Amino acid sequence: VQLEQSGAEVKKPGASVKVSCKTSGYTFTSYDLNWVRQAPGQGLEWLGWMSPDSGDAGYAPKFQGRVTMTRNTSIKTAYLELSSLKSDDTAVYYCARGSGFCTSTSCYIGWFDSWGQGTLVSVSS
Amino acid sequence: DIQMTQSPSSLSASVGDRVTITCQASQDVNNYLNWYQQKPGKAPKLLIYDASNLATGVPSRFSGDGSGTDFTFTIINLQPEDFATYYCQHYRNLPLSFGGGTKVEIK
Repeated sequence: VQLEQSGAEVKKPGASVKVSCKTSGYTFTSYDLNWVRQAPGQGLEWLGWMSPDSGDAGYAPKFQGRVTMTRNTSIKTAYLELSSLKSDDTAVYYCARGSGFCTSTSCYIGWFDSWGQGTLVSVSS
Repeated sequence: DIQMTQSPSSLSASVGDRVTITCQASQDVNNYLNWYQQKPGKAPKLLIYDASNLATGVPSRFSGDGSGTDFTFTIINLQPEDFATYYCQHYRNLPLSFGGGTKVEIK
């Protein structure tokens, strides 16, 4: 299993950024993909998940309206787009494969068993 | 939203030591609790899932325990490669969240 992310980005405040996560070594449509970010010297923050099978996505409330997660199944690649960038969006952004499972009553994100190498997004005027 | 509180935020230990980290959830997360290891400049790595299950290929010196709101993560016989930052993460509901991390440093 490999998740290969696109390279570092430098953006100005107010701009948008699109990060890609190219997968290999497993069936792309069988596992949800999640995005997690880490600001410099800080902890981990979850942005949301996407089903590569259906294209359905769910976003953390903090990012709702600014984040879009999409995919291209023909090239087994997922994308994170974040708009209206601010300086505190400066972070390393990771894609992570989720175990994802459903019980008789609910579905869960699960655990992240494979991660991309991370993409540094720097926002500065 | 469920808040995850890890303690301590950092600790110093020696090779061969036993290290225990705690993670407390602000609400019952059942056993939907995972632990990750992160080394500087690297992506996190899954160590424990569902509170106590060892991920594939993870050495048995790592273990996890707990349910509900209180969880522990233990490393016995600390090895040089174990000096890193450790994070807990719940997935009981959305948004899922991580603890603030515990940095394990060399004494």
